[in-house]
Amino acid sequence: KQEVTQIPAALSVPEGENLVLNCSFTDSAIYNLQWFRQDPGKGLTSLLLIQSSQREQTSGRLNASLDKSSGRSTLYIAASQPGDSATYLCAVIGTYKYIFGTGTRLKVLA
Amino acid sequence: EAQVTQNPRYLITVTGKKLTVTCSQNMNHEYMSWYRQDPGLGLRQIYYSMNVEVTDKGDVPEGYKVSRKEKRNFPLILESPSPNQTSLYFCASSSLAGGDDGYTFGSGTRLTVV
Repeated sequence: KQEVTQIPAALSVPEGENLVLNCSFTDSAIYNLQWFRQDPGKGLTSLLLIQSSQREQTSGRLNASLDKSSGRSTLYIAASQPGDSATYLCAVIGTYKYIFGTGTRLKVLA
Repeated sequence: EAQVTQNPRYLITVTGKKLTVTCSQNMNHEYMSWYRQDPGLGLRQIYYSMNVEVTDKGDVPEGYKVSRKEKRNFPLILESPSPNQTSLYFCASSSLAGGDDGYTFGSGTRLTVV
């Protein structure tokens, strides 16, 4: 059974720092992996989708990498801003199912 | 604009009173799914559908029903809601079961059962 773990569960950093969020999964037989952002009480906003044949994707200050063989993905946020404060979720996409991690709650301090 | 629309956004109801949460997508997606999100438990899949008239149980289907009579709509039905179904519910869709273009989520429905 696929299990997805995100470390750390919570993170506070000063504005301007570069940071890395981690996502690990137990079964490497995945189709894709997707990173989401969720603001408190709100819906999920897609940040990046990495297909299984890709190793990374970039959007603005965000870069996500995928290493299927080791069961790991990282989300790199450059030059963090207070507006980046949110919960970040990774989802591993298998057959007819997305398995979500429990998220990393990020707070960027001004 | 490509989107998944859920209604209502907020709902307070009493135990045992049947309710339906609607979900509609305008992207011609085959795959649709319902999740509930609870503190400390993350997102858990309730039901999913791979196409019209094709539905299957997720991880926590007890107390819920779904139907997929049209490709764009995937309503979630609570026949007899109970307080343990108080939660934040999300509908999501994608073009293929493997999600080659990723998942698109609705804005959520916050349900309170008293």
